[in-house]
Amino acid sequence: ELKVEQNPLFLSMQEGKNYTIYCNYSTTSDRLYWYRQDPGKSLESLFVLLSNGAVKQEGRLMASLDTKARLSTLHITAAVHDLSATYFCAVDTETSGSRLTFGEGTQLTVNP
Amino acid sequence: DSGVTQTPKHLITATGQRVTLRCSPRSGDLSVYWYQQSLDQGLQFLIQYYNGEERAKGNILERFSAQQFPDLHSELNLSSLELGDSALYFCASSVGPSETQYFGPGTRLLVL
Repeated sequence: ELKVEQNPLFLSMQEGKNYTIYCNYSTTSDRLYWYRQDPGKSLESLFVLLSNGAVKQEGRLMASLDTKARLSTLHITAAVHDLSATYFCAVDTETSGSRLTFGEGTQLTVNP
Repeated sequence: DSGVTQTPKHLITATGQRVTLRCSPRSGDLSVYWYQQSLDQGLQFLIQYYNGEERAKGNILERFSAQQFPDLHSELNLSSLELGDSALYFCASSVGPSETQYFGPGTRLLVL
């Protein structure tokens, strides 16, 4: 059974600081996704990573994928309050029929 | 706005009742997915349809059923509701299997 684990689950950081969220998964993956969810809202697609060594960046967020280590990271640079949200990684494999298996989510709070 | 619509936004009902949740995918998307989000279970995949056919099934209870209609909209039927069914139900859609899934705003179900 595919398992996806994120850490930390809760992250409180100051504006201007850098930090990394980690996502480990247990079996070979075809695609890894990062989503953002604001409280009571839907999930917003941030990145999709398709191959080993893939790196994608959007603003202050950068995601990378190491398929050999079965690890993805979401790096936050110079955090701002607007980044406060819950971030989920999710894994999709062909054998799972394209269903997404989500991590527990990392609740990020950026304090002024 | 992802382009995926869900109705209703909120639903309050009693145990033992039956409800229907509706989802319209983004224009051009053939795949529809249903997910349940609750505090204790996190985000769980329920079921996937592709162009009217069931493609994958997750941890969906026998009391729950779904279908995708010729116009590609989908409905999730929940029956004999229990308190534990209270959750946020998301629909997502994608162009095809193993493509990025875009999530709707969700239906918040409260079973009293």
